[in-house]
Amino acid sequence: NAGVTQTPKFQVLKTGQSMTLQCAQDMNHNSMYWYRQDPGMGLRLIYYSASEGTTDKGEVPNGYNVSRLNKREFSLRLESAAPSQTSVYFCASIPPSRGQGYTFGSGTRLTVV
Amino acid sequence: SQQGEEDPQALSIQEGENATMNCSYKTSINNLQWYRQNSGRGLVHLILIRSNEREKHSGRLRVTLDTSKKSSSLLITASRAADTASYFCATDSGAGSYQLTFGKGTKLSVIP
Repeated sequence: NAGVTQTPKFQVLKTGQSMTLQCAQDMNHNSMYWYRQDPGMGLRLIYYSASEGTTDKGEVPNGYNVSRLNKREFSLRLESAAPSQTSVYFCASIPPSRGQGYTFGSGTRLTVV
Repeated sequence: SQQGEEDPQALSIQEGENATMNCSYKTSINNLQWYRQNSGRGLVHLILIRSNEREKHSGRLRVTLDTSKKSSSLLITASRAADTASYFCATDSGAGSYQLTFGKGTKLSVIP
């Protein structure tokens, strides 16, 4: 099925551990995004990639790094997890036309203890 | 920072009634979009309205946009239990790369 696939769906980390959240889309979209969703806060943009080979910071980039491996894949890395990074993470993508909405993945629920 | 702010934060209605949610934003926009999120799931795009449009329909959804008041509303007619979800507005400022700024959402409960 065409769409955005995120792995893993759930993860528990200890403070200081590292991990990479994976995101892949098979719709030939150019732009990809990572958001986090916290209760009562809506979605906040962490990083985005307007096209293959480019990445830019969003509203809340501290503590994260990203890699746009190719046109399909955009990963988010936590180098040293902190409890404040407990959240639900969503990846999204969009085709070049600005007149269309985002396609979201189903999310990764991350708990840092 | 949040661009869109939805109102009310929560809404509970009976099946068959209409549901209206409002969104206010602060800066000029290229377009405004509405998304639905079922509990524990990703967001699903519902409808997009451009800054030069005033009203748009899609099935049981009706969206209005008033750029002079920097506000939008989403109307769901003849609601169903399956419409129970959180609804978010998101704005595209039109500047540079395409980024959406999301509001905090309205949680809609439709009681059978």
